[in-house]
This record gives sequence, structure tokens and C-alpha cells, in this order.
Amino acid sequence: QTVVTQEPSLTVSPGGTVTLTCASSTGAVTSGYYPNWFQQKPGQAPRALIYSTSNKHSWTPARFSGSLLGGQAALTLSGVQPEDEADYYCLLYCGDDWVFGGGTKLTV
Amino acid sequence: QVQLVQSGAEVKKPGASVKVSCKASGYTFSSYYIHWVRQAPGQSLEWMGRINGGLDDTKYSQKFQGRVTITRDTSASTAYMELSSLSSGDTAVYYCVREFHGGYFDYWGQGTLVTVSS
Repeated sequence: QTVVTQEPSLTVSPGGTVTLTCASSTGAVTSGYYPNWFQQKPGQAPRALIYSTSNKHSWTPARFSGSLLGGQAALTLSGVQPEDEADYYCLLYCGDDWVFGGGTKLTV
Repeated sequence: QVQLVQSGAEVKKPGASVKVSCKASGYTFSSYYIHWVRQAPGQSLEWMGRINGGLDDTKYSQKFQGRVTITRDTSASTAYMELSSLSSGDTAVYYCVREFHGGYFDYWGQGTLVTVSS
């Protein structure tokens, strides 16, 4: 089965910019993988941030953006806020299955 | 407003089965998929499978094939996930999440803790 890989942890200063990536073991991630990104804080259900690579939900703060970068899906946070400290998960459509990445713990 | 409300926490013995429900409201149930995702303590999210709210169409992760059954009751706008032959490794929070066709995931249920213990 496809393995989806994310950075285990990243640290960013308040007001800074950070990019989280999401790679597939089968090769380059394209729009056909329909990358989704989710944020999860301790004790809470995940919250959707980005769908189909770069589309934001109505509740997604403007500082979050999704893209494809160097054959990977990417989530960029610009002007990071303390409340952005959380776990972030990507989700890819791999063949017939959906596969989550291992998650990135973002420390602000 | 869109809501997915899941059934309450369960405690099961090894070898038993568990059935978790996910009641949808605030939208047309048949127009969306419902997926099931689980998260073991301290671990990542894991996709288990999905059902089409409008058609009799299910898809399961190979890892759970043969052990998981996802069903729906369209008249009740409710999806169900049943997992059999439980072991301690199935202790996790189980979530339902809605998807519109084409990878548009949005609303999540609140989660259901399933504990497997003798």
C-alpha cells in the first residue's frame, strides 16, 4: 500500500512562515491525488482546512494556503499565530484508497 | 447547519464486534459520501472505508477488508461502521467525515472512543 510521508515535527516563530509537505511513495503528487489538509488540536476532532490541492473552506483562515511543490502537496502558513500550534495531516487519493500521512506536529 | 453526530463510547471484549453510528443533518444525505477514519492513542489518522450516501456502493481499505462493514439507512440519514474480531489494537477513536465527490472533505463527527479490553 502507498505510504504518505510528512515531516514529523516543525517549529516556527509567531509571525513567521512555514511549509508542510506531503509525499507519496509511488511518485509525484498531482492534482489527481486530490490533496486535503486537516488540523487537529489535542482532544478535538480534525478540522478540514484545504481540499483538492488548494481550495479553502469558508472557515479556513487566509494565512493557510495549499499547493503542489516539487512533486509533493504542500501547506503553507504565512504569519503564523500561536493558535496554529497543532497536528496537521494530509490525505491523498491513491489508486482506489485514501491514505493519510503520518502527521506533522507544528510548534509555534 | 451541517452536523454529523456519532454514537457514544463503547467498551468491548476481544473477539467481539462494535457498531458505531453517524447521524447526518443539515444537508441531503444521498448527495455525499461518508467515510470512516480511526485514530489510535497518540497515532495518526487511518482511513477505513466509505459509503455512497445515495447508491449501494462501498469501498474498504485493504487493511480492514473482511473485518469492517459500512452500511447506511437513508431514511434515517445515518451511516454505520461495524468492526468485527476486535483486539486491543482496535482501541481508538473512530470518526465519520463527509466527502463531496472529487475529494471535497469537510465536516467531521465528534468521534467515538472504542476501547477493547478483557
